[in-house]
Amino acid sequence: DAKTTQPNSMESNEEEPVHLPCNHSTISGTDYIHWYRQLPSQGPEYVIHGLTSNVNNRMASLAIAEDRKSSTLILHRATLRDAAVYYCILSLRTSGSRLTFGEGTQLTVNP
Amino acid sequence: DAGITQSPRYKITETGRQVTLMCHQTWSHSYMFWYRQDLGHGLRLIYYSAAADITDKGEVPDGYVVSRSKTENFPLTLESATRSQTSVYFCASTFVGGLNEQFFGPGTRLTVL
Repeated sequence: DAKTTQPNSMESNEEEPVHLPCNHSTISGTDYIHWYRQLPSQGPEYVIHGLTSNVNNRMASLAIAEDRKSSTLILHRATLRDAAVYYCILSLRTSGSRLTFGEGTQLTVNP
Repeated sequence: DAGITQSPRYKITETGRQVTLMCHQTWSHSYMFWYRQDLGHGLRLIYYSAAADITDKGEVPDGYVVSRSKTENFPLTLESATRSQTSVYFCASTFVGGLNEQFFGPGTRLTVL
């Protein structure tokens, strides 16, 4: 399985944008880039995913490098409720494909 | 209640005992998964199921047994619990034809003494 590399931790201030990086230099052409987050004492929740083009949804934006070897999850205005561990995961889009979770990035949001 | 539920939420057991963790989803999702998360680490896949009566091993299946007689239920059994199985266990599900977005339950915190 292709691997992802994320910083262990990042800090942000409330109401400021946050850019969470992810490197995936061995990504294959059929891998989608998924982001999940895990709030304290909860199960992970889906945030966003993409293949080649940048993607936006109500939670976040995903910026994908042209060579697809890296991506950035963008939270436009961080809130205290965004404090969580963020996981960048490569997976096939096919239903039921496995998700391989790494260690993720612990995001701290300061008031 | 709609969604995915796990029971019990907390369980303490002793080494050598059999323990069954329950997972129930109301969406009729075809795919279901069991993960474990050790303190301070990411999730690891134990077993998964593509449909009723179809199961397959994940990354760390040793010491666990699963069954899936009904689409909505996916129990995980520790046949003889060991201390190394102390962990938080998450169940997840997803549906055919979707974006491979997995929906996770709240987790079961298991302590093996």
